[in-house]
Amino acid sequence: SAVISQKPSRDICQRGTSLTIQCQVDSQVTMMFWYRQQPGQSLTLIATANQGSEATYESGFVIDKFPISRPNLTFSTLTVSNMSPEDSSIYLCSVVVRGRTEAFFGQGTRLTVV
Amino acid sequence: TQLLEQSPQFLSIQEGENLTVYCNSSSVFSSLQWYRQEPGEGPVLLVTVVTGGEVKKLKRLTFQFGDARKDSSLHITAAQPGDTGLYLCAGLINTGTASKLTFGTGTRLQVTL
Repeated sequence: SAVISQKPSRDICQRGTSLTIQCQVDSQVTMMFWYRQQPGQSLTLIATANQGSEATYESGFVIDKFPISRPNLTFSTLTVSNMSPEDSSIYLCSVVVRGRTEAFFGQGTRLTVV
Repeated sequence: TQLLEQSPQFLSIQEGENLTVYCNSSSVFSSLQWYRQEPGEGPVLLVTVVTGGEVKKLKRLTFQFGDARKDSSLHITAAQPGDTGLYLCAGLINTGTASKLTFGTGTRLQVTL
């Protein structure tokens, strides 16, 4: 398994500003992902965070809006840029441990944009 | 477009009842996983099924992977209030150069006394 520390756990932000969410894992993992989850809904994959290179984004998500960094095997950041109330959601970091297929999740960041 | 459709979307039952949640897709998956999520927490893995036709039991929970590896079901026997939560199936897709986990639409289960 893997222990994932995600912060902040929640934040209330003004529209037009940006928020950077951090994800730290206690072990080296092969893959790191960022998901968005509307309250009570399922998870939507934003992108795969690639170590040392640009993230791979899913349809509907772009780098200008959600820049992602992954400087090493255990750390990644997701920035929500130029926020609007529609960005209010829960953002989750997920990892896959080397040699396994299961995903482990952080507790998420609950973002409210006002 | 959601690749994995779950049914029912919402289920409210009384303690002691049985239930089945379905996860269906037109895509074939390398493996399929079931997660449970409680409010304020991230999803927690319950089980992974890999082989078509595979059946796994976890105490009162029985998971089945379809023969064609396109669908799965979760059966809970004698549900308890502690089973309350959001149940998510997730399929692993290998694209050759990378893998990604796609989640189903979710089933919210409420078990009351």
